[in-house]
Amino acid sequence: DTGVSQNPRHKITKRGQNVTFRCDPISEHNRLYWYRQTLGQGPEFLTYFQNEAQLEKSRLLSDRFSAERPKGSFSTLEIQRTEQGDSAMYLCASSSPTRGNEQFFGPGTRLTVL
Amino acid sequence: AQKITQTQPGMFVQEKEAVTLDCTYDTSDQSYGLFWYKQPSSGEMIFLIYQGSYDEQNATEGRYSLNFQKARKSANLVISASQLGDSAMYFCAMREAPNTGGFKTIFGAGTRLFVKA
Repeated sequence: DTGVSQNPRHKITKRGQNVTFRCDPISEHNRLYWYRQTLGQGPEFLTYFQNEAQLEKSRLLSDRFSAERPKGSFSTLEIQRTEQGDSAMYLCASSSPTRGNEQFFGPGTRLTVL
Repeated sequence: AQKITQTQPGMFVQEKEAVTLDCTYDTSDQSYGLFWYKQPSSGEMIFLIYQGSYDEQNATEGRYSLNFQKARKSANLVISASQLGDSAMYFCAMREAPNTGGFKTIFGAGTRLFVKA
């Protein structure tokens, strides 16, 4: 078991460009979460999937943000028309149906918008 | 609105001593879950311990214990016998209504712990 993986680990983009991040959860985990963490702060919840269904979405997730988990396995987070304020670490976590209280986090994708 | 407060931006502890990291929370829910995570300088979030709001006993996981005082709405983390590897950022978190399928987890601002040799 390789744990939760995220790609890319780092992304530098220019303002106005679109970016997409990928998260591969632990294979038997049916729950998947996205968070955003800015420097010196705790993670902020963005959205949650159970299998392929997106069950909850934070108001922080503006119309420029969209997340998918088409087959209930990996997930993508897309940010359209990036802004400098989008610069942050984007974290993905997953949990199993039997131990839902424990979320396993990936290493994150650090986004820098110039 | 739900809120997590960690009032200690930084804490120092001598190696092998115990340390308590404070966490208070605010919620109107009767059912909720409380968590502590560790984030080393490498950046990866590591789950430490969980306490359900209906659990009567304080949770323990090895050197970690959660001092849960429901009436005071506090969920302090106690680390016994501190080790140099415990130096990290520690986050308290709360998940709303886990027993009814609630999923949103909110985190505090964190406490940075420094363990001195």
